[in-house]
Amino acid sequence: DAMVIQNPRYQVTQFGKPVTLSCSQTLNHNVMYWYQQKSSQAPKLLFHYYDKDFNNEADTPDNFQSRRPNTSFCFLDIRSPGLGDAAMYLCATSRDLGQGNEQFFGPGTRLTVL
Amino acid sequence: SQQGEEDPQALSIQEGENATMNCSYKTSINNLQWYRQNSGRGLVHLILIRSNEREKHSGRLRVTLDTSKKSSSLLITASRAADTASYFCATDRGSTLGRLYFGRGTQLTVWP
Repeated sequence: DAMVIQNPRYQVTQFGKPVTLSCSQTLNHNVMYWYQQKSSQAPKLLFHYYDKDFNNEADTPDNFQSRRPNTSFCFLDIRSPGLGDAAMYLCATSRDLGQGNEQFFGPGTRLTVL
Repeated sequence: SQQGEEDPQALSIQEGENATMNCSYKTSINNLQWYRQNSGRGLVHLILIRSNEREKHSGRLRVTLDTSKKSSSLLITASRAADTASYFCATDRGSTLGRLYFGRGTQLTVWP
């Protein structure tokens, strides 16, 4: 089945220790998104890639970076995680940009910062 | 910043009852989408309604949109225990760039 896969499902890191979360998709979609969702809050868009074009949200901290080496994979790098970065990180894809594109989500990676 | 607010924040009903959740938003939109999230999982797309539509149906789901009031509602008829989840509305804030902005969600619990 075509899907969005996130690894690992649970990640524990130490304060200040860089961490990378990964996302892969078999849908061959052009767009990949990263969201941060804290407990009982709305998913918050961090950035997205349209093909190789990177688009950062204005309020995404510099601590968060992303890489998309090919169509299938996208990575979220947190350079120096703080306690406030503990959250669920959701990867999503859509076929294209533009109006009315449904987004397909992975199961998420829950990040704990000690 | 958060786009909208879902109301109520939590809803608890018995199986067989209908569940109604509301969403308000602040900007113009091209479309509004509803997603479901089971506990600790990713979001699943339920339904999309365009700004020129007033009502849409999909199975047991009925969505309405009132652009003059900047609000939408999601009705789940004949609810089941398996409908227990958080429900989020999301809008594009009038952008054509594909970004979605989510509300905080309604936690629905359906008791057997």
